[in-house]
Amino acid sequence: ETGVTQTPRHLVMGMTNKKSLKCEQHLGHNAMYWYKQSAKKPLELMFVYNFKEQTENNSVPSRFSPECPNSSHLFLHLHTLQPEDSALYLCASGEQGREQFFGPGTRLTVL
Amino acid sequence: AQKITQTQPGMFVQEKEAVTLDCTYDTSDQSYGLFWYKQPSSGEMIFLIYQGSYDEQNATEGRYSLNFQKARKSANLVISASQLGDSAMYFCAMRGRLGVQGAQKLVFGQGTRLTINP
Repeated sequence: ETGVTQTPRHLVMGMTNKKSLKCEQHLGHNAMYWYKQSAKKPLELMFVYNFKEQTENNSVPSRFSPECPNSSHLFLHLHTLQPEDSALYLCASGEQGREQFFGPGTRLTVL
Repeated sequence: AQKITQTQPGMFVQEKEAVTLDCTYDTSDQSYGLFWYKQPSSGEMIFLIYQGSYDEQNATEGRYSLNFQKARKSANLVISASQLGDSAMYFCAMRGRLGVQGAQKLVFGQGTRLTINP
């Protein structure tokens, strides 16, 4: 398998649930990113990891918790989310100075 | 702060015609990069083309070209000979100078929905 993969592709959860989104890249990149894409809004950068170290937290609420155990895997742990957190969550990887490669996204619905 | 503006929420074009998608940007960085991505209804963001701020020639990739006008701070995407499969959302994005630890940040515009009519 190549490129950037994300699981699950679709997720429906209640506000009291705890779930995790997974991202895996097979491109050998050192940086990985989480973005949120809500309806009628530009993509919003959430977190950046470079060489497994978090280098950016874009004022994201603590109910979103990222984890990067190695340079190929990135997780987004979710707990006590709100309905307004429903969105498409995109993972990307890349090398400095060039394009980022995106996964297919997880479409999250919070009931 | 960096900002990307895409003023066309939607465009409708006849198949085989050329189409230009507008993008203007604002940055105080001297070194930056500009990207265009395509997002079909499936959701995945597909990289199309890149232009560096110091590149002297406009970038081209197959049917895609980037009309880079640095003084006007514009980076329009031109698609030649449009096809039905070009129907999608198109996003312009930019990166500023590299961060302290080297990981770049991308700022995206709001996108343009392109529809190609047969």
